[in-house]
Amino acid sequence: QKEVEQDPGPLSVPEGAIVSLNCTYSNSAFQYFMWYRQYSRKGPELLMYTYSSGNKEDGRFTAQVDKSSKYISLFIRDSQPSDSATYLCAMSPGSGSRLTFGEGTQLTVNP
Amino acid sequence: DVKVTQSSRYLVKRTGEKVFLECVQDMDHENMFWYRQDPGLGLRLIYFSYDVKMKEKGDIPEGYSVSREKKERFSLILESASTNQTSMYLCASSPWTGQNIQYFGAGTRLSVL
Repeated sequence: QKEVEQDPGPLSVPEGAIVSLNCTYSNSAFQYFMWYRQYSRKGPELLMYTYSSGNKEDGRFTAQVDKSSKYISLFIRDSQPSDSATYLCAMSPGSGSRLTFGEGTQLTVNP
Repeated sequence: DVKVTQSSRYLVKRTGEKVFLECVQDMDHENMFWYRQDPGLGLRLIYFSYDVKMKEKGDIPEGYSVSREKKERFSLILESASTNQTSMYLCASSPWTGQNIQYFGAGTRLSVL
């Protein structure tokens, strides 16, 4: 069983939809949680970062962490065609530790 | 802005060739990483380094080696390229302390024929 599970999709939504992307994990030591966005044929770029539990909002993006359920989410409001990318979750137990990545979810937002 | 630069975007090599993939970061980060990314398998860690001349095996080190002679540069070496090493290779760096965020290069798409 993988340490981090992420539905690879693909996920296709109309422009303006609310998108929900999710990851589950098994290692209760994880404390640092990240979402990366990767455009086609490019490297991943950091989108959202959360330490421990709670919510974080940045514009149209909201990251949620529920450590009791070992579940993290990324919500995209008013989705745009420019949001079409692969979204990878990543997490680690501590500063300086290696990251464990989900497989990535491929999202397409249709105009 | 953190910049991680990979020397080549696309590379085509023949089976049996020795291949060097170079990565340079400009933020004085201690940690550097090499991943490969394949459809259905996600990002897999090949090697990483916490300091100059130091290296640690990741999850799939077989067929690869690395070199870190200077803090800013981390090289991935395919000693004898094989077709199953055709992949997207990604380099990343991160500081030793802090938020544990890794910063990625644009990637090198390697084809081994």
